[in-house]
Amino acid sequence: GNSVTQMEGPVTLSEEAFLTINCTYTATGYPSLFWYVQYPGEGLQLLLKATKADDKGSNKGFEATYRKETTSFHLEKGSVQVSDSAVYFCALTPNNAGNMLTFGGGTRLMVKP
Amino acid sequence: GAVVSQHPSRVICKSGTSVKIECRSLDFQATTMFWYRQFPKQSLMLMATSNEGSKATYEQGVEKDKFLINHASLTLSTLTVTSAHPEDSSFYICSARDLGVLNSPLHFGNGTRLTVT
Repeated sequence: GNSVTQMEGPVTLSEEAFLTINCTYTATGYPSLFWYVQYPGEGLQLLLKATKADDKGSNKGFEATYRKETTSFHLEKGSVQVSDSAVYFCALTPNNAGNMLTFGGGTRLMVKP
Repeated sequence: GAVVSQHPSRVICKSGTSVKIECRSLDFQATTMFWYRQFPKQSLMLMATSNEGSKATYEQGVEKDKFLINHASLTLSTLTVTSAHPEDSSFYICSARDLGVLNSPLHFGNGTRLTVT
């Protein structure tokens, strides 16, 4: 079956530090990969996505590259801000329009000023 | 952009009572909505798929008589937790796709935190 594994948090960084949140997946075929963000008290929001190998998703300074050879989709940001403090979820669907999102366990990021 | 509204955002109820959670798509229509449950420090787990005008599809291990789902219109799905117990305390989130947008992403509500005392 499909599964997503994320690094456990919390991840605590100082403002302007470099961020990496690791995500690896197991899936048959060619899944689409997503990063969702959940700010305190809010629902999930799609942060970025990639639908095929070597695609790079990017948004709000965050990036993630679909690496099929390593089955990874690590989230990176060059300089985090306090406002980036949230829980980040890596997820996949078996196809781009699939409804069956499989989520990782989530990684809480705390950015200190 | 597409907005999914959940209500209430927080609810505290006594054991044995029932609680209804609403999920509305505010500016789009959705034939299908999805209900998830999030345990502390764990990922979202899909509970069921709500289908407009027909029965919901439940994931394995989810009690359909406990978690009643009704999808009466293209903009509203409700989840009723019946005879709630403390172990039902959790964060419930719904999502939906825009029927009018090809390959629409999932739009999530803000979630409902249920506490059963």
